[in-house]
Parts: sequence; C-alpha cells; structure tokens
Amino acid sequence: EVQLVQSGAEVKKPGESLNISCKGSGYSFTSYWIGWVRQIPGKGLEWMGIIYPGDSDTRFSPSFQGQVTISADKSISTAYLQWSSLKASDTAMYYCARSEDGYASPFDYWGQGTLVTVSS
Amino acid sequence: NFMLTQPHSVSESPGKTVTISCTRSSGSIATNFVQWYQQRPGSAPTTVIYEDNQRPSGVPDRFSGSIDSSSNSASLTISGLKTEDEADYYCQSYDSSKRVFGGGTKLTVL
Repeated sequence: EVQLVQSGAEVKKPGESLNISCKGSGYSFTSYWIGWVRQIPGKGLEWMGIIYPGDSDTRFSPSFQGQVTISADKSISTAYLQWSSLKASDTAMYYCARSEDGYASPFDYWGQGTLVTVSS
Repeated sequence: NFMLTQPHSVSESPGKTVTISCTRSSGSIATNFVQWYQQRPGSAPTTVIYEDNQRPSGVPDRFSGSIDSSSNSASLTISGLKTEDEADYYCQSYDSSKRVFGGGTKLTVL
C-alpha cells in the first residue's frame, strides 16, 4: 500500500528554522516525484515545488523560490521542506504528494498534512 | 504566467447535476492536462479526474471531466449528487515551468 506519512504539527516563533518531513512507503521512492503544497487556513491550494528523489532534481514555483528548501534522503525514503527563518505568514497546512513527473501527471497520493503555526 | 479561475461556490440539491468551471487566463486549455481534486473538510485532497477526463479507480462514474477550447475552460460535472459530494474542488494544470491550482469551488449539496 502506497503511503506518505508526514511529521507532526509544529509551533514555532518568527525567525526560527524548521524542517518538516514526508516519508514514502509501499513504492519505489526514487521513481516518483514528491511535491509540496501549501494551504493557508481557510484558503486554497498553492503549489510550492517538487523534487525527484532519484537525482534530487528540484523545481520551484516562482512564489516560493528562495523562501524554502526542498530536499530528499533516498536512503530513508524521506523528503523534506525546510525554512531557515520562519515568518508569521508561513502559518499553514503543508501537504506532500506523489507524482509520476514534474508537472503533467496528477498528484495520486497525498500525505496527511503538517500544520505549521508561527506565532510570537 | 497563467491563472485558473473557478467560481467561489456552487450549490445544488441531492440527485441533481452540477458543473464546476475552470477558466485558463492565457495559453490554450487543450495544451496541458487538467486535473481535479476533491477536498473534504479536515482531509487531504484526492484526485477525482486526471488528464482532462480520466477517472482514477474507485471514483464513481458520476464524476466526469471535459475541456472546451472555445471558452478556454475545463469543467467537472457531478451527476446524481449525494451529500457526501459536499466538498471543495480544485482544478490544476501546468505549463513548462510550474503547476497552478485554481482558487477552489465550495460545493454545497442541500
């Protein structure tokens, strides 16, 4: 059974760093892309970026380029979304999702989401 | 850059048919596939239509997708509405460098 399991909810202060994770199982982790999607409370879905764990090829939405880092450790089938300095505006639910390619294929499996709250 | 515009909300009665539109602002809707995702409250999204009009296994045939080049739009049609269809629906497409989601449509079945 394909599963994407994300790390738990986080409460952070502005300026702190954060790393959230997404562990894949039940499929060949290096053969599919993992994307990240932001959902601000009460708002819609926003595509942030995507990584191919097989070779770490990474693409970003222009809106998120330079704001976050996306990485993957294929030895433990885990992708990461990282912030070096959080802002209150980063408060949102973050989903990881699997895709067969960088852009054209749908996200066929999703993680359960990680809620990030940034507040002083 | 392009945007996908959806109606903010639609409502219909159980058993009826509803159509949700998704209009692409620039570039042809027919050039790049459109996917549709359903998101129930408190849950992660799931795919209901991919590649314009394909249904994943497990999605009932009450869900169908189409594209209309004349209006540069994609549509999601749900027939025989059930209360369980009440959810937010998002279209999504792409170009050579990014994926884009529509703003989402809240479907109320009342």
